[in-house]
Order: sequence, then C-alpha cells, then structure tokens
Amino acid sequence: QVQLVESGGGLVKPGGSLRLSCAASGFIFSDYYMSWIRQAPGKGLEWVSYISSSGSTIDYADSVKGRFTISRDNAKNSLYLQMNSLKAEDTAVYYCAKGHTVMVPWGQGTLVTVSS
Amino acid sequence: EIVLTQSPGTLSLSPGERATLSCRASQSVSSNYLDWFQQRPGQAPRLLIYDASSRATGIPDRFSGSGSGTDFTLTISRLEPEDFAVYYCHQYASSPWTFGQGTKVEIK
Repeated sequence: QVQLVESGGGLVKPGGSLRLSCAASGFIFSDYYMSWIRQAPGKGLEWVSYISSSGSTIDYADSVKGRFTISRDNAKNSLYLQMNSLKAEDTAVYYCAKGHTVMVPWGQGTLVTVSS
Repeated sequence: EIVLTQSPGTLSLSPGERATLSCRASQSVSSNYLDWFQQRPGQAPRLLIYDASSRATGIPDRFSGSGSGTDFTLTISRLEPEDFAVYYCHQYASSPWTFGQGTKVEIK
C-alpha cells in the first residue's frame, strides 16, 4: 500500500534552516506530483508547495516563496523541502502528500518548531 | 486567492443524527475542484470527497458531497462515533490552493 514517511523535523532558531524529507513507497513515485502541506499547532491546514513528477513544474504559497525550496529524487523515491530563513510562524507539523490537486494519502507529518 | 469559509464552526450532534457542513468560496471554484478532508485528533487528514461529489476510495456511503460554483456541502447521513472530528474543505481550482478554517463535529 502507499506509504509516506516524513522526517527531518525538530527545533531550530529563528533565521535557521532545516531540510525535511518524505520517503515514499507502494507506488511509482516518478509518475506523480507531490505536495507539502503544514498545520500550525491547534490551527488549520495551509498548502505550502507542490512539484511535478519530473520536477519541472513547481509552485509555492506566498508565505514561503523565496525561503523554501521543494525538490525530489525519483531514484530514491524521496521528496524534500529545504527551509531557510525560518520564522516563528513556520512552526507547524509538515505533511507530504501524493498528488497536487487531489492529495491522497498524506504522511503522518513531522513537527518543526522555530524558537529561540 | 480563493477564500473558503466554513460554517458552522462547531456542530454539536448525537450519534445517528445527520450532519450538514457548509463551505462557501469567495469566487467560483471552476470545474468544482473542491474536496473534503476529515481529521481526527492526532492523525493526518484523510480525503473523503474530491471534485465536490466523488467519494474517495474506501469512504463509507454515509458521506456525500454536493454543490457547485461558490457553495458546497458535505453531508454525513447518520453519524457514527468515529465521525466526530474536524472537517476541512479545500479548493484546487486556482493557485494558491486554499483550505477552509474547519468545522468541528462534536458529540452533543
């Protein structure tokens, strides 16, 4: 079955960087768009970014544009999110999901905390 | 940006009752590219409905979606104990994709 496992979350200081990973299995990873979505503690969902199957098409939410970079390695069945210049408001659980319009399924998420 | 407004914020119902959740868009959602997610405490969101009215794989038929344009509805015909959760609508018609703020369905 499809499985998505995020990793790389943790505590980072404001202005710092972090790289999230999402390991995919159970489907042909290189055939699908992939997405990142986040959820601040006790808050709703916010779409962050998506990337096409080849990596040639990418889109970002305005809130992360210029600071976050999405990428993928189809040989490793992995999706990444490089997060730079982190702010307190980036504190959230970050989920990866298969697809970019109909996003299903989602991984269990990894928590990123930005605090001094 | 399409803003999605969900109502009510909280719905207090008993098991076996019918739940009707609303999602209103600030502008028309083309091709009815709107879906609904369920999120139970401590879990990742789960897709229930896509393209406004198509049930996702494995979703019980007590869940149904309807609507078009700017007004969409998720209906749960008879609430089961596991249905008490938060529900989000989401549009993927126009970038940036956006989510509603959520409706919590709680046990009365």
